[in-house]
Amino acid sequence: DAGVTQSPTHLIKTRGQQVTLRCSPKSGHDTVSWYQQALGQGPQFIFQYYEEEERQRGNFPDRFSGHQFPNYSSELNVNALLLGDSALYLCASSLATGTGRIYGYTFGSGTRLTVV
Amino acid sequence: AQTVTQSQPEMSVQEAETVTLSCTYDTSENNYYLFWYKQPPSRQMILVIRQEAYKQQNATENRFSVNFQKAAKSFSLKISDSQLGDTAMYFCAFMAPPSGTYKYIFGTGTRLKVLA
Repeated sequence: DAGVTQSPTHLIKTRGQQVTLRCSPKSGHDTVSWYQQALGQGPQFIFQYYEEEERQRGNFPDRFSGHQFPNYSSELNVNALLLGDSALYLCASSLATGTGRIYGYTFGSGTRLTVV
Repeated sequence: AQTVTQSQPEMSVQEAETVTLSCTYDTSENNYYLFWYKQPPSRQMILVIRQEAYKQQNATENRFSVNFQKAAKSFSLKISDSQLGDTAMYFCAFMAPPSGTYKYIFGTGTRLKVLA
């Protein structure tokens, strides 16, 4: 049973560029959440997607956007990259019903983004 | 606003000894959930233990147990018989579904090193 898969593992971008990160959820999961983990910090919630719509959003600017596809996979897009966007981006999948929304999160190993 | 505070940036413990990691939180919610996650060098967040606020009994998972003090808003993690594989970052996390948000609020983490 495959867990959460994120790609790429690492990437380096230049300030002002745009980046797309990808996430394939655990088999059977239908909800995807994205978190940003800056160096030495805990993960911070960016947004959550379910049924191809953004359901919840954290305190992040509009430069951060996402998408969920019919197969439940998801993308995180960041425009006009800033040095401060350098972080580990974690994807977590879960099931939208019952206790899965609370207990059933599976995290990926993240994408390390470095903005230079 | 809900916050999670971990006041111990780093800790170390001898193999086979016991160590306690501290966590405090702030919320006006009465029904919420608390979690401890482990993040090894592989970067994947792994659930260690969870506690429902409505349960008075402290949760236990093998060598891991919590001391949940609801009135004091304290949620510490005790690791017994520490093993080298316990070396990792540990994050305390909070979720309050009644407020309509199925998202984690994480603390800043405690880096635990188990010494041989």
